[in-house]
Amino acid sequence: GQQLNQSPQSMFIQEGEDVSMNCTSSSIFNTWLWYKQDPGEGPVLLIALYKAGELTSNGRLTAQFGITRKDSFLNISASIPSDVGIYFCAGRGLRNAGNMLTFGGGTRLMVKP
Amino acid sequence: DADVTQTPRNRITKTGKRIMLECSQTKGHDRMYWYRQDPGLGLRLIYYSFDVKDINKGEISDGYSVSRQAQAKFSLSLESAIPNQTALYFCATSEPGSLAGELFFGEGSRLTVL
Repeated sequence: GQQLNQSPQSMFIQEGEDVSMNCTSSSIFNTWLWYKQDPGEGPVLLIALYKAGELTSNGRLTAQFGITRKDSFLNISASIPSDVGIYFCAGRGLRNAGNMLTFGGGTRLMVKP
Repeated sequence: DADVTQTPRNRITKTGKRIMLECSQTKGHDRMYWYRQDPGLGLRLIYYSFDVKDINKGEISDGYSVSRQAQAKFSLSLESAIPNQTALYFCATSEPGSLAGELFFGEGSRLTVL
């Protein structure tokens, strides 16, 4: 099946630093989603991307849908302690039925105050 | 109150025992899913249901079964639990017309099989 490679697997950064993470796929996706999972909670949608090259922001978060349609990036500017959690990319391919999403392995973000 | 509620939130059981995880939702969505989360592997789909009479296997359905008792209820069963089924399980819902295909997750059920 389709696979998403998400990197890095974990990051430990200082408060105020910017963060970048990405996902790559061996196949083309027509939708990219970025979720955040707070400790002890379920994932919540942060940003959805629908077109190749699209750049979308949500507060301090910015995500991009790669031109090749096989990758996506998430940037967090000026990190704060509440950014701590696991970030997941998810993609829906051209051949997926219904709303089937493929998830990346997650990036665990830790922020030192 | 959470729109997607899972019970139990935590469960410790022994190998060979039958376990049921329950999910109920107040979002009015037709589509419901069960995912499993393991460190470094992300979320993997176990089963999904597009309406009360519809059940579909996902990526990792072996060793699991499901029941869609009503539009709002979707339960996951482990007939004979084994240690490698130790994981965090999530129920999710979605709307069929959603452009993004956004999933709404419950808070998770952590299962430990000894």
